Amino acid sequence: ETGVTQSPTHLIKTRGQQVTLRCSSQSGHNTVSWYQQALGQGPQFIFQYYREEENGRGNFPPRFSGLQFPNYSSELNVNALELDDSALYLCASSFLMTEQETQYFGPGTRLLVL
Amino acid sequence: SQQGEEDPQALSIQEGENATMNCSYKTSINNLQWYRQNSGRGLVHLILIRSNEREKHSGRLRVTLDTSKKSSSLLITASRAADTASYFCATDARETSGSRLTFGEGTQLTVNP
Repeated sequence: ETGVTQSPTHLIKTRGQQVTLRCSSQSGHNTVSWYQQALGQGPQFIFQYYREEENGRGNFPPRFSGLQFPNYSSELNVNALELDDSALYLCASSFLMTEQETQYFGPGTRLLVL
Repeated sequence: SQQGEEDPQALSIQEGENATMNCSYKTSINNLQWYRQNSGRGLVHLILIRSNEREKHSGRLRVTLDTSKKSSSLLITASRAADTASYFCATDARETSGSRLTFGEGTQLTVNP
């Protein structure tokens, strides 16, 4: 167990809807990253938040947005859902201090878009 | 797009045998990490090797890194049925502040009892 929790565990939405996924970081960590993992593929970096500000973004459209709160928990919001957004969404927390930080992943939220 | 490529894509061995998985990547890195994933669940961090290290051990795991060939290998010795999982390498290029991991597509390891 990494101490990183995510909710909900599973979610079904229809195309065009909006979804909010939540993540609670491991105690003592100040950075949270979000990844999308399509079936049979490796995770792809969406974005990272450090001290409540976006600190890097992958190749995802603006309809993917996020928030980090003062307690370092985080949300991933996806607007105008598309069928291809169906995936496992993983958050990872870390402590941004050195160049060799380890990211600790939560169990993920599996999103199905119909 | 994925930076890393794992090879093989799938590996099936008998309990007690060793399993070797390889990873290649394209850009300069600060470190390379190996993760394990059971049945589409969360990723478990296994080991991190820095760009200035060539080999690292952790229990039954041995990781090598060859930055001149941009490749790494993960060796699991004396495998167990519980080692059955997908294994991913991830590189941290640290082009900007913060850690952005770039994952390969993984190797599915099956250890038969």
